[in-house]
Formats: sequence, C-alpha cells, structure tokens
Amino acid sequence: AQSVTQPDIHITVSEGASLELRCNYSYGATPYLFWYVQSPGQGLQLLLKYFSGDTLVQGIKGFEAEFKRSQSSFNLRKPSVHWSDAAEYFCAAPNDYKLSFGAGTTVTVRA
Amino acid sequence: DAGVTQSPTHLIKTRGQQVTLRCSPKSGHDTVSWYQQALGQGPQFIFQYYEEEERQRGNFPDRFSGHQFPNYSSELNVNALLLGDSALYLCASSLGQGSDTQYFGPGTRLTVL
Repeated sequence: AQSVTQPDIHITVSEGASLELRCNYSYGATPYLFWYVQSPGQGLQLLLKYFSGDTLVQGIKGFEAEFKRSQSSFNLRKPSVHWSDAAEYFCAAPNDYKLSFGAGTTVTVRA
Repeated sequence: DAGVTQSPTHLIKTRGQQVTLRCSPKSGHDTVSWYQQALGQGPQFIFQYYEEEERQRGNFPDRFSGHQFPNYSSELNVNALLLGDSALYLCASSLGQGSDTQYFGPGTRLTVL
C-alpha cells in the first residue's frame, strides 16, 4: 500500500520568493501521486497529478512537481509565490479505492 | 460543467441526534467517496460507493452509513452524534474504481454541541 509523508508542518515564505513543499512516498512500484490545495474553510482543489511518464508535472496556478524515484519524493514547487497561495497543501496517494493523505503543510505568505 | 456539489454548507446538531449530508458528483462520474477532516488534520477516508454499493470502508464505526442513488448522487448518514464527529465532511467523485483522480466538493461543516 502506498503512503505519503509531509515532513514540514508549516512554511513561511515572502511574497515573490520561491516555494518548495516536500512529499515522500512509500511504495514499491510506480506510484500515483497527487497534490491538493485547501484554502481556509474550503474543499480540496487538485493542483496536479503524476501517473507515469514525464517526471516533471505541470499543474494549475503556476505549480509544478517533480517525481524522483531515487529519493522517493514528489516535491511541489512554485517559482514566485503570491499572497493568494497562502493555504494548506496536501500530498496524497491512492490505496485501493481511497486516497491516503499526508498531514499537510500550511503555507504562510508574508508581504 | 458542474463540479462536485454538497449540501448543506453548514450544520449544527446536538449530541445524540442524527444527520444526513448530501453529495452530487461531477458530471460523468459514477463513484463517490466520503472523507472526514477534523480541524488541523488531513482528510480521513470514511467509505466509497460505486454502482450503489459500498466498495471500501475506512476505520469508522457503524454509526456512519451511506447510500448511493441510481443517478450516482450520495448521502452520508451519521447516527447518535458525538462531540468528536464535529468536522468538515468532504465528498469526492471519480470515474470507475482504483486510482482514478478524485475531485472534491466544498464540504459540509458539521458542528456537534
């Protein structure tokens, strides 16, 4: 079964600076991996997904993620953060029919 | 193209009461999954419905039950509410089974007093 771990609980970044959120996965075969974003009090919005193929995945809102099998990682990046990117970010992997989520990383954007 | 919709948006109940939450999947989707998200935590899987049957269940008591209708919409029922049931309840829809992408609705915020 797949599982994911997000090592960072909270990250603070300045507006305009780059952002990288870490996600480590545990699975033997090629995994399916997702990144979701959740604004306060809202549902989850899909940012991007990795199924196979190109290891660099482009998503919405200027986000991208890179799958690195050698490091068992699927880190999310954005070159220049906007104040509206302040939210909670979840990495997820499917286990049978369900999604298993990491604990989430809260991103605070300072002016 | 309508996304996943949930109703109601917010709900306040007292301990011991029963509640029903509703979900309409994204157009073209036939699978509905329910998740509970307590404050400050990640979503936890409750169960998934496909072809009007529960296909997989998470670690939740029998007080949590569900139903899927022929039009693929779904209900989540919680009986004998406890204070600990206060959470955001998220519905996700997908096509078929397995690892297909799940799309989430805005959630229903349940407060149990």
